[in-house]
Amino acid sequence: EVQLVQSGAEVKKPGESLKISCKGSGYSFTTYWIGWVRQMPGKGLEWMGIIYPGDSDTRYSPSFQGQVTMSVDKSISTAYLQWSSLKASDSAMYYCARGATIDYWGQGTLVTVSS
Amino acid sequence: DIQMTQSPSSLSASVGDRVTITCRASQGIRNDLDWYQQKPGKAPKRLVYEASSLQSGVPSRFSGSGSGTEFTLTISSLQPEDFATYYCLQHNTYPRTFGPGTRVDIK
Repeated sequence: EVQLVQSGAEVKKPGESLKISCKGSGYSFTTYWIGWVRQMPGKGLEWMGIIYPGDSDTRYSPSFQGQVTMSVDKSISTAYLQWSSLKASDSAMYYCARGATIDYWGQGTLVTVSS
Repeated sequence: DIQMTQSPSSLSASVGDRVTITCRASQGIRNDLDWYQQKPGKAPKRLVYEASSLQSGVPSRFSGSGSGTEFTLTISSLQPEDFATYYCLQHNTYPRTFGPGTRVDIK
């Protein structure tokens, strides 16, 4: 069974750094892209970007380029999304999802940024 | 970037109604479009891929059609569990883009 299990909810202050994770199982992790999707409170889905675990090829949406960094650790089948300096406007639910066309989703990680 | 629009943005319908949601792309995307259902507090779930192929396990009352710039998702007979928000996603080019969503409420 394909599963994407994300790390737990985070509460951070503005300016802090953060790295959230997404562990894939039940399939060949290195042969499927992993994407990230943001959903701000009460809003729609926003595609942030995608990374290929096989070679770390990454494509960012222009809206998120330079704002976040995507990475993977193939040895533990885990993808990461990180921020170097959080803003209040980064408060949202973040989903990881499998595939260049999304077929499976993680359960989401809620990020709250508040002073 | 390819812009995706959906209509209507929301609708109210009764159990048993036929519901149609439209998604339009700002340029041709062949059939590179998927449909997702999201219920409150849950991750989205794919219903249709490649515009018209039903995801395994999805009830046959859901169907998708279209190609190029105009696509539709149809629910032939709305069931109580179908009240949710529906999104389209184009995967023809990067960046991928979602439609703004269509909320389906109980009338």
